[in-house]
Amino acid sequence: DVKVTQSSRYLVKRTGEKVFLECVQDMDHENMFWYRQDPGLGLRLIYFSYDVKMKEKGDIPEGYSVSREKKERFSLILESASTNQTSMYLCASSPFLQEGQEQYFGPGTRLTVT
Amino acid sequence: GQQVMQIPQYQHVQEGEDFTTYCNSSTTLSNIQWYKQRPGGHPVFLIQLVKSGEVKKQKRLTFQFGEAKKNSSLHITATQTTDVGTYFCAGWHNYGQNFVFGPGTRLSVLP
Repeated sequence: DVKVTQSSRYLVKRTGEKVFLECVQDMDHENMFWYRQDPGLGLRLIYFSYDVKMKEKGDIPEGYSVSREKKERFSLILESASTNQTSMYLCASSPFLQEGQEQYFGPGTRLTVT
Repeated sequence: GQQVMQIPQYQHVQEGEDFTTYCNSSTTLSNIQWYKQRPGGHPVFLIQLVKSGEVKKQKRLTFQFGEAKKNSSLHITATQTTDVGTYFCAGWHNYGQNFVFGPGTRLSVLP
């Protein structure tokens, strides 16, 4: 059974803080993704990675960066958190996106920036 | 940019009634996937459609992919309270080389 875990379910940070969100998958998947989910907007792709040390911008990368030093781990970094980054953050992984493989999601991290 | 729209945004039905959500893309899709997210949960993959005009069934759920591969639908027959959640479509766009989720349709089922 594929398992995608995220470091925290809930997180509260102050404006200007540096925030790290961690995601780990245990199925040796090539692709990993970070989304944010906001009411009425669905899931919006922030960044994805198709291999170690590789990353691609999604639809809304501004204010975020990512790191993938190991295949199983994909980190999302908010360099200087702002209140408009308050959201639910979802990590996902998949074997090969181009072949239409399904994405497996983690439980999500609800981040509040005050 | 490429967009995927879904209608309706919300749907309230009485248990036993049917439900349909529609997904429309601004560009041709290589494939379309459907996910379900229960309240408080995370999206879970339901199915993938690849061929033009494809129809797939999962018990009371029927999924269709349009002939032009730009739209899709999910139909639930005789809804149950366990069907409550938000249904997302997501597609891989041929030319943009990116994977886009629709905004979702939230289904409420009244017992």
